Amino acid sequence: DAGVIQSPRHEVTEMGQEVTLRCKPISGHDYLFWYRQTMMRGLELLIYFNNNVPIDDSGMPEDRFSAKMPNASFSTLKIQPSEPRDSAVYFCASSLRGGIDEQYFGPGTRLTVT
Amino acid sequence: GENVEQHPSTLSVQEGDSAVIKCTYSDSASNYFPWYKQELGKRPQLIIDIRSNVGEKKDQRIAVTLNKTAKHFSLHITETQPEDSAVYFCAAGGGGGNKLTFGTGTQLKVEL
Repeated sequence: DAGVIQSPRHEVTEMGQEVTLRCKPISGHDYLFWYRQTMMRGLELLIYFNNNVPIDDSGMPEDRFSAKMPNASFSTLKIQPSEPRDSAVYFCASSLRGGIDEQYFGPGTRLTVT
Repeated sequence: GENVEQHPSTLSVQEGDSAVIKCTYSDSASNYFPWYKQELGKRPQLIIDIRSNVGEKKDQRIAVTLNKTAKHFSLHITETQPEDSAVYFCAAGGGGGNKLTFGTGTQLKVEL
């Protein structure tokens, strides 16, 4: 398996624009997690899915953030409108059994909002 | 919910010395404790994990210990090498919610 795939790897956008980050989990993994990493806040869990269903979105910072998982092999994280404070590295991770199993991280998307 | 505290935030050692990173957790129901290593510009990757039915686990130069009573666990790296320089994260899972709660990370620097 190619591992967790994320796109784009880098995104530079202007404040107010819509940003869509994409993730393809490892085949057969039932859990998918979206994290945000910054120097100030470290690694924050934004939302996670089990069998394509959102389970816990308490980490989503504002209504500007939304996430979907239309099928087992694809998820998106959307920010609309984007703001400079959204600049961070966004990781997607997948695992077989959620919190009791290894999470495999994707390479991340480095987002810069100017 | 679960709260994981990690210390120290930065650690500098001489090559060949040992390094110890400590974490505490709050949820007594947590039963899975992984450690991730993140090199600069890279993704976090699992280096070792321990479950609550085990007190210690070793893998070559790294080991993890768990004290369930005190709710703390530690990562030990012996004979450190420059390639051990990275950020290390502890995490706890298996309690409330099927997710991992990460510590704030330790920047380890191994100096020649």
